[in-house]
Amino acid sequence: DSGVTQTPKHLITATGQRVTLRCSPRSGDLSVYWYQQSLDQGLQFLIQYYNGEERAKGNILERFSAQQFPDLHSELNLSSLELGDSALYFCASSVLGLQGSPLHFGNGTRLTVT
Amino acid sequence: ELKVEQNPLFLSMQEGKNYTIYCNYSTTSDRLYWYRQDPGKSLESLFVLLSNGAVKQEGRLMASLDTKARLSTLHITAAVHDLSATYFCAVDSSGGGADGLTFGKGTHLIIQP
Repeated sequence: DSGVTQTPKHLITATGQRVTLRCSPRSGDLSVYWYQQSLDQGLQFLIQYYNGEERAKGNILERFSAQQFPDLHSELNLSSLELGDSALYFCASSVLGLQGSPLHFGNGTRLTVT
Repeated sequence: ELKVEQNPLFLSMQEGKNYTIYCNYSTTSDRLYWYRQDPGKSLESLFVLLSNGAVKQEGRLMASLDTKARLSTLHITAAVHDLSATYFCAVDSSGGGADGLTFGKGTHLIIQP
């Protein structure tokens, strides 16, 4: 168990809808990262937050947004969903940034858009 | 744009054999990570390599880093079935600052008894 908690585990929704994925980092970790894993694109970095502030953006679509709250949990909001958004979404955390420490991954949220 | 390429992408081998997975990357970096993922599961950190020439070993797995060649290897010695999984390498090109890791596509390893 990595200590990173993601909810829900599974999510099935229709095209055009909006969903929110939630992540609680390991105790003491200030950085939260979101990744998308799909068969065709592999693991894609979406966005990083550090202590409530956005630190880096990767291949995140404009329809997607995220935030990190004062208690350090994070939410990833996906809107106007398309079939191609179906994927496994991982949250990961680390104490600070990368700085030589591995990211600790949660168990992921599997999103299915129908 | 940083590119991370793993070779091979699929590998089927027999128990007791040795094999090496290669990870090439396209930009200067001295921070490389190896992860393992079982089907439908999360990613588990295996090794963190932080300098040229770094070598780390855990059980039947050994990872090394050559930053000049921009190459890391994951060597499997006397493979056992429990090592069947997908192995990812990932590179940090940010110098430890704000950025996400860039992952390779993964090597799907099947070890046959």
